[in-house]
Amino acid sequence: KAGVTQTPRYLIKTRGQQVTLSCSPISGHRSVSWYQQTPGQGLQFLFEYFSETQRNKGNFPGRFSGRQFSNSRSEMNVSTLELGDSALYLCASSGPGEEKLFFGSGTQLSVL
Amino acid sequence: AQKVTQAQTEISVVEKEDVTLDCVYETRDTTYYLFWYKQPPSGELVFLIRRNSFDEQNEISGRYSWNFQKSTSSFNFTITASQVVDSAVYFCALSGYTTSGTYKYIFGTGTRLKVLA
Repeated sequence: KAGVTQTPRYLIKTRGQQVTLSCSPISGHRSVSWYQQTPGQGLQFLFEYFSETQRNKGNFPGRFSGRQFSNSRSEMNVSTLELGDSALYLCASSGPGEEKLFFGSGTQLSVL
Repeated sequence: AQKVTQAQTEISVVEKEDVTLDCVYETRDTTYYLFWYKQPPSGELVFLIRRNSFDEQNEISGRYSWNFQKSTSSFNFTITASQVVDSAVYFCALSGYTTSGTYKYIFGTGTRLKVLA
């Protein structure tokens, strides 16, 4: 069974640009959540999607948005990038009735 | 509010030493789950263990052991006879039900473990 796949692995953008990150969950998993990881802050929860609906949302500004498609693949978008958005963005999926998260390798975003 | 505290930012040990990673949590929920995840340099977090709030039994898996104490709100992780391959960032996490009936995770800031040969 393939794991959680995130693309691209690395991204370099400049301030003011926007970026879209992609996540393909494990087959059969309908829940996809996104986390931002920065040194010293640990993993900060961004949002969670289930069956194309956002179920939970963290405390991030509206520049951060996401969506989920009917095949459970998810995208997150960050508009008007700021230097502080430089981070590793991790996607995780989970199966029905399963509290355990399965993570992808992340997308390392650098904002210059 | 829910919170997970991993006070140890970085620990360095020499191979074969035992090491304990501390985790203290806060929650008002009576039903919750505690987790440990390992993040090697590749970046992907790997699940290690899950404990529910009603199961305070300690668990041992090979060189890994976990000590869950509700009285002190702690869920500590011990690696016995550490190896270089144990070098990673370790995250403790807490999950509980939200008002919408879904799980929500709170992660600690992680402890970077360096095992020196």
